[in-house]
Amino acid sequence: ELKVEQNPLFLSMQEGKNYTIYCNYSTTSDRLYWYRQDPGKSLESLFVLLSNGAVKQEGRLMASLDTKARLSTLHITAAVHDLSATYFCAVFLDYGGATNKLIFGTGTLLAVQP
Amino acid sequence: GAGVSQSPSNKVTEKGKDVELRCDPISGHTALYWYRQSLGQGLEFLIYFQGNSAPDKSGLPSDRFSAERTGGSVSTLTIQRTQQEDSAVYLCASSLRGGNIQYFGAGTRLSVL
Repeated sequence: ELKVEQNPLFLSMQEGKNYTIYCNYSTTSDRLYWYRQDPGKSLESLFVLLSNGAVKQEGRLMASLDTKARLSTLHITAAVHDLSATYFCAVFLDYGGATNKLIFGTGTLLAVQP
Repeated sequence: GAGVSQSPSNKVTEKGKDVELRCDPISGHTALYWYRQSLGQGLEFLIYFQGNSAPDKSGLPSDRFSAERTGGSVSTLTIQRTQQEDSAVYLCASSLRGGNIQYFGAGTRLSVL
């Protein structure tokens, strides 16, 4: 059974600090996504990582992918309150067109305190 | 509109009733997906459409759940004889084609009393 595990599940951090969210998965995949969800809202795509060693950055967020270790990280630099949200990683599965779906991690609730 | 549209945004129903949830994908998107988000189970895949066909229905929890897509556009998720465990937020997503970034709608919050 495919498992996608994120840790931590909850992260309370102070503004200005750095932290990393980890996403481990148990099967091979050539694509990994990071999404953000604000309370009561839908999912917003942040990054898509397509190959081993891929690194994407947008503002204070940087995502990376190590397909050999089956690990992706989302690094937060100098956190600000606006980054408070729940972050999900999602592994893409495509079995020759027979399926085509995202398997989501458990989510990390990030609360940035002033 | 420019995004994925879902209706209704909220639905309260009584146990045993049938419900229909609607999804309007982004125009031109050939792939459409349904997911379910609940406190106990997290975000779960339900079904994937490519055009009007559903190559993967493996996530549908039981035969009370069905979905269809017509005209390569609008999709309807139907839950028959609803149960309390069906209470969740049902999210629809679409992508240009299978494998591209999935764009999510705001969801339908279903409450079964």
